[in-house]
Amino acid sequence: AQTVTQSQPEMSVQEAETVTLSCTYDTSENNYYLFWYKQPPSRQMILVIRQEAYKQQNATENRFSVNFQKAAKSFSLKISDSQLGDTAMYFCAFMKATGANNLFFGTGTRLTVIP
Amino acid sequence: GAVVSQHPSRVICKSGTSVKIECRSLDFQATTMFWYRQFPKQSLMLMATSNEGSKATYEQGVEKDKFLINHASLTLSTLTVTSAHPEDSSFYICSARDPTRVTYEQYFGPGTRLTVT
Repeated sequence: AQTVTQSQPEMSVQEAETVTLSCTYDTSENNYYLFWYKQPPSRQMILVIRQEAYKQQNATENRFSVNFQKAAKSFSLKISDSQLGDTAMYFCAFMKATGANNLFFGTGTRLTVIP
Repeated sequence: GAVVSQHPSRVICKSGTSVKIECRSLDFQATTMFWYRQFPKQSLMLMATSNEGSKATYEQGVEKDKFLINHASLTLSTLTVTSAHPEDSSFYICSARDPTRVTYEQYFGPGTRLTVT
């Protein structure tokens, strides 16, 4: 079974500063995908960034980047130059590359950007 | 592209009645859709995987006779909560994957808030 752990229920960061959200996972799969989703107060789930496990290079999307450590089964999200609009719940998620393509979610981290 | 809609966004029903929630992929065909439930301040819990033209696959602990899923076309899946009770009040979210895309992310609908009185 796959499990995803987010050990930080809540975090805060000053506007324009950098923050890192942690995520670890457990799986026996070798091929899989990892995602960070953002859920703002509207509750619409928005994809922030994705990482294919077979890629060694860390994914980057503008101010968002990940630190993917496959051996350690760690997948942290770094948000640079934090903006007020980044305030949201952030969920780390795992998907197997074969078979059922459902997502396994972590418990989430509530991020608050302080002006 | 890759937009998923849900209807209604909010519904209130009386205990004992049934309510149907629709999930549509607007600009792609989805052979598989997923239904999640989210309690306040909690994560998303997968309820079932909806496959076009076949029976849904339910997660352990989810009553298939209570949460009826129909995926009659490549762009529409419905979740019917039958004989609703107050404990069924929750936020229900659907998602779908675009099989034509090489990436594997799921696209989520905006969710439906169900309140059973």
